Amino acid sequence: DIQLTQSPSFLSASVGDRVTITCRASQIIASNLAWYQQKPGKAPQLLMFAASTLQSGVPSRFSGSGSGTEFTLTISSLQPEDFATYYCQQFNSYRITFGQGTRLEIK
Amino acid sequence: QVQLQESGPGLVKPSQTLSLTCTVSGGSISRGYYYWSWIRQPPGKGLEWIGYIYYSGTTYYHPSVESRVTISLDTSKNHFSLKLTSVSAADTAVYFCARGRREGGPPVFDFWGQGILVTVSS
Repeated sequence: DIQLTQSPSFLSASVGDRVTITCRASQIIASNLAWYQQKPGKAPQLLMFAASTLQSGVPSRFSGSGSGTEFTLTISSLQPEDFATYYCQQFNSYRITFGQGTRLEIK
Repeated sequence: QVQLQESGPGLVKPSQTLSLTCTVSGGSISRGYYYWSWIRQPPGKGLEWIGYIYYSGTTYYHPSVESRVTISLDTSKNHFSLKLTSVSAADTAVYFCARGRREGGPPVFDFWGQGILVTVSS
């Protein structure tokens, strides 16, 4: 199976900060990567797919980049509602895998 | 707007079978293009894909549960189901159903149920 490793696992930041989360794949997955946001007690929400395509309704402060094995999710100016856990997911293989998550907390 | 809702028992005894149903509203599960999926999250941990079923009946399962899991569609009721046999405490998790949207091949998950906590305990 394709392994996904996110870094950092934990991130502390302030409202207005620019933050970047990285997801590395154990093998080449082209641009077949998605990002999700999950708040406590809630289901994950799709933010981005195909590495850099914003899901409908997601604010433009979220952006994604990368291809091959290294990908990033950037939030340009953190808002209070962005403090959550973020997961990457590969859809290069029919055996779906997720990263272990990055927890973003308020400093 | 598609909505998904999980239902089933919240407590299952070890060695028994976990059975959950996901009722879909706002769209037909027999329409092509979508994978109807189950994903779980052990308490305090990350997401684990369990498996999905395409409208044609084709299924894909995570290797770690493949010998114990069955996902099926009931188009007459517009719902799909998960059965996981021989459960243990390691199967305790919040179980989510989700719609997988094809993006040229395997899916991304664009609509999710709220999740249901299933505890395996005697």
